[in-house]
Amino acid sequence: EPEVTQTPSHQVTQMGQEVILRCVPISNHLYFYWYRQILGQKVEFLVSFYNNEISEKSEIFDDQFSVERPDGSNFTLKIRSTKLEDSAMYFCASSEALRISGRAPYEQYFGPGTRLTVT
Amino acid sequence: AQKVTQAQTEISVVEKEDVTLDCVYETRDTTYYLFWYKQPPSGELVFLIRRNSFDEQNEISGRYSWNFQKSTSSFNFTITASQVVDSAVYFCALSLILTGGGNKLTFGTGTQLKVEL
Repeated sequence: EPEVTQTPSHQVTQMGQEVILRCVPISNHLYFYWYRQILGQKVEFLVSFYNNEISEKSEIFDDQFSVERPDGSNFTLKIRSTKLEDSAMYFCASSEALRISGRAPYEQYFGPGTRLTVT
Repeated sequence: AQKVTQAQTEISVVEKEDVTLDCVYETRDTTYYLFWYKQPPSGELVFLIRRNSFDEQNEISGRYSWNFQKSTSSFNFTITASQVVDSAVYFCALSLILTGGGNKLTFGTGTQLKVEL
C-alpha cells in the first residue's frame, strides 16, 4: 500500500532559525497539503498545492511560510524564521484528482507527521 | 464558513462497553465529504471512513459503525464492544471542495476516548 512519508520525524530548532520539513506524497497524487496540530489541539489546514502553485492557504500561512515541489517526488514546507508558537506537529497529505483503483477522489492520505519543537 | 463540533472532549468507558462519538457539522455547500480519523498516542492520523453528502446510508465495518443524518447535520461514530486498543483521539472532519480542485479538511476539536479494563 503506497503511503505518504515525512522527514524528519522530530526536528528541534532555535527561535529565528529556518526549517524545512520534507514530505514524499503518494506518487500518482496531484494535490498536496500541509496541516498543523499544536499539542492537544485540533488539526488545522495550512495550505494546498496543485500544478506547482498554491491553490488555497489559511490565515496561519503567512509570509514566514512557503511550500515547494523541488522535484517530481518531494513536497516541502519552509518556515523562514521560526517562533515559539510554531512548535507543533506538521502533517503532509496528498490526494488524487480522479477515481482511480476504486479509491474515492478527494480522500487525503496523511503522512506520520513531523514534530517541530522551537526553543 | 465550515465548522465541525465535537462536543465530547473526553469519554471514558470500560472495555466491552459500546460508545458513541458525536459530530455535528455546518456547511453551506451541497456537495461535501465527511471523515473520521483516529489519532493514537503515537500521533499519526489514521483514516477510518469517508462519506459523501449524497450517501446517507449507514455503514458498519467490524466493530465500527457510522450514522449520517443530513437532517440534523450529524455524523456519529459508534464503537461496539470497545477494546483498550481503541483508546485514542478521534477527529471528525468536513471537506470543502476547492475551486481549483482538491479539498480542504476542517477538523473538529477531537474526542479523547479512554477504554479501561
